[in-house]
Amino acid sequence: DSGVTQTPKHLITATGQRVTLRCSPRSGDLSVYWYQQSLDQGLQFLIQYYNGEERAKGNILERFSAQQFPDLHSELNLSSLELGDSALYFCASSLGQGYNEQFFGPGTRLTVL
Amino acid sequence: AQSVTQPDIHITVSEGASLELRCNYSYGATPYLFWYVQSPGQGLQLLLKYFSGDTLVQGIKGFEAEFKRSQSSFNLRKPSVHWSDAAEYFCAVGAFSGSGTALIFGKGTTLSVSS
Repeated sequence: DSGVTQTPKHLITATGQRVTLRCSPRSGDLSVYWYQQSLDQGLQFLIQYYNGEERAKGNILERFSAQQFPDLHSELNLSSLELGDSALYFCASSLGQGYNEQFFGPGTRLTVL
Repeated sequence: AQSVTQPDIHITVSEGASLELRCNYSYGATPYLFWYVQSPGQGLQLLLKYFSGDTLVQGIKGFEAEFKRSQSSFNLRKPSVHWSDAAEYFCAVGAFSGSGTALIFGKGTTLSVSS
């Protein structure tokens, strides 16, 4: 157990819908990262937050957004969902904003029908 | 741009045999390198990391990796594989992005262990 929690574990929804994925980092970690894992794209970095502020952005679609709250938990919002958004979404956390070990949560499996 | 290549998509090794998983990276500066393992239905677990210093790094579960700058490689090794090592293995390089950092992952290598 990495200490990173993600909810829900599974999510099934329809095209055009909007969903919110939630992540709680390890105790004491200030950075939260979001990654998407799909069969065709592999593991791709989406976005990083550090102590409530956006720090790094990867291949995140404009339909996707994230935020980190004062209690350091983070949410990833996915809207206007398409079939191709079906994937495993991982949250990771680390102590600082630089090169630290990232500890991964168990992931949320999103299925868009 | 930073990238990681894992040339082997799938490897099968007999239980008790040695293992080497290959990883090549492309990064302009001194790389920060990681190996993660993902068991079916699980998240990613860090096996080991290289930041600087000794180029041979030891990790958990009996794994080690060697950083070779001249070959831009960071291969993962284990002297004797156990059936429980069957999983998917990912090599990653830490990269600066904006004012933060990100992990750039390879496509992964699936390890099967035969008895």
